[in-house]
Formats: sequence, structure tokens, C-alpha cells
Amino acid sequence: NAGVTQTPKFRVLKTGQSMTLLCAQDMNHEYMYWYRQDPGMGLRLIHYSVGEGTTAKGEVPDGYNVSRLKKQNFLLGLESAAPSQTSVYFCASSYSFLTGELFFGEGSRLTVL
Amino acid sequence: ELKVEQNPLFLSMQEGKNYTIYCNYSTTSDRLYWYRQDPGKSLESLFVLLSNGAVKQEGRLMASLDTKARLSTLHITAAVHDLSATYFCAVDPGRNTGNQFYFGTGTSLTVIP
Repeated sequence: NAGVTQTPKFRVLKTGQSMTLLCAQDMNHEYMYWYRQDPGMGLRLIHYSVGEGTTAKGEVPDGYNVSRLKKQNFLLGLESAAPSQTSVYFCASSYSFLTGELFFGEGSRLTVL
Repeated sequence: ELKVEQNPLFLSMQEGKNYTIYCNYSTTSDRLYWYRQDPGKSLESLFVLLSNGAVKQEGRLMASLDTKARLSTLHITAAVHDLSATYFCAVDPGRNTGNQFYFGTGTSLTVIP
């Protein structure tokens, strides 16, 4: 019962460093999403994908890049980390737009010093 | 840009009492979702509401959707401590917007014995 798996779970970066968060889902879902969660702000969409090879910007895309080379994986990259990117990142997936219910990963806590 | 507002943001209630959490949104949509998040954990789907007048119930929680008023409610009946968590509503404006989900800021519920 893996569902949506995120790696790593925790990471500390220095300003300017780069890293990639990996999201993998085993439910054959078409749609995948990356959100960030900050205190008092709910979840905000960074980027999303409606299928293999496609990506699109969400509400707060600046400073992030994504790739969806395989249907089951959605990668979130930070090229030059900034303290403002300290957050908890959640990946989610859904089967189709008809039901749209999101299934979330356990989250990745990123701290940028 | 779609706005999703929840109120109250914080709710402290005694066991056995009833209360309602409200979710207002700013654009047309007939797709609304409720999620629960325990501290330090991921989000768990509670309800999927896909049409005007939809009502779903699970245990002590009941959710409803009024698309004309752009309002969803999450009603808590005879609260128990196990319901303590943060509750989020999320709106999906639909395919034309790429199935982006917009989340409210969350309602932090504490049930006091």
C-alpha cells in the first residue's frame, strides 16, 4: 500500500544550494501536484502535471522547476535555494478530473539556512 | 484568482458540543473537498462533494455544498477528542483551469474534554 511516496522526508540546505524532491505514485494516476504548506497560509500549488511529459505552473512557481518524464514520478527541483523556500512540501496525485480527489504523500520538510 | 476562505481559523470546543466550519469561495465551482490533517502528518481525504446540494456524512462529521452561495459547511456533531485536527477545504474550478486545487487556510480544531 505505498500510494504516494516522497523522498527525502527531511533536508537542510544552505542558501544557494540545489536539490530535488522526488514523488512517486503507484496508483497509475494521471495528475500530479506539488504543494507547499506554510503556517497560516494553507497549501499553495507550486506546479502540476496532467500527464507524462507535461507540466504547468501553479500559484507560486518562482524558484522551482519540475519534470514528469515517467507517469509515476514527479520531480520538484530547487536550483538555488533561498530561506523563503523553507517549508513543508507535499506531493499529491489524482486519477482524473472527474473525481479529482487528491491523495497526498507524507510531506518533505525543507529548511534553508 | 480564486480565493477560498475558511472560518473560524481556530476553534476550541468542548466534548459533546456541535459546531460548524464554513468554507466560502470566490468563483464558480461544483467540486469541493474536505481534508483532515493531524499535527506533523499528511492530509487525509474526508469528503468529496461534486454537485450542488451534495451532502455527505461520516460518523460525527457532515459536509454539504451550496454552489449558488459558493459555500460549503462541515458540521461537527457531539464532538470527541479524536476529532482534534486541522480541517481544510479545497476547491477545484475544473478542467479549464488545469484542475488546480485551491485550499483554504485551514481550521484548527481542538476538542476539550
